[in-house]
Amino acid sequence: DSGVTQTPKHLITATGQRVTLRCSPRSGDLSVYWYQQSLDQGLQFLIQYYNGEERAKGNILERFSAQQFPDLHSELNLSSLELGDSALYFCASSVEGGSVTDTQYFGPGTRLTVL
Amino acid sequence: DQQVKQNSPSLSVQEGRISILNCDYTNSMFDYFLWYKKYPAEGPTFLISISSIKDKNEDGRFTVFLNKSAKHLSLHIVPSQPGDSAVYFCAASVGNTGKLIFGQGTTLQVKP
Repeated sequence: DSGVTQTPKHLITATGQRVTLRCSPRSGDLSVYWYQQSLDQGLQFLIQYYNGEERAKGNILERFSAQQFPDLHSELNLSSLELGDSALYFCASSVEGGSVTDTQYFGPGTRLTVL
Repeated sequence: DQQVKQNSPSLSVQEGRISILNCDYTNSMFDYFLWYKKYPAEGPTFLISISSIKDKNEDGRFTVFLNKSAKHLSLHIVPSQPGDSAVYFCAASVGNTGKLIFGQGTTLQVKP
């Protein structure tokens, strides 16, 4: 158990809908990261937050947005869903997030299926 | 553009033998490399890392080798155990960001 929790574990929805994925980081971690793993793909970095502020951005679609709240939990919002958005979404957390040696600890992921 | 590549989707090894997982990268700005292990229905777990200023890092049965001139790194597991059966991801990062670039993963099966 990494100490990172993600809810829900599974989510099935229809095209055009909007969903929210939730992540609670390890106690004491200030940085949260979101990654997407599509079928047969490696993890793709989406976005990083540090202490409530956006720190780094990857190839995140405009239909996707995220935020980190004062209690440090984070939410990833996916809207106007398409079939291709079906994937595993992982959240990770780390103590700081500004150092390459700052280990990222991953949650178990949320499996999103868009029908 | 796949900046980190793991060209072998799968690898099968006998228990007790050496497992060698390979990873190639294209971005010479990468200065830190990591290996993560992933079991089904779980998130990736950090295994071992290496800075670009080193060419080897060892932790128990796991050793990572870095060849900067070839832009290649490898993970050696000796001896391999059935519990090592998992998907192994190579990842790289640059600078002072937490952004990790992952390879596609290699599924390792260690047979008893």
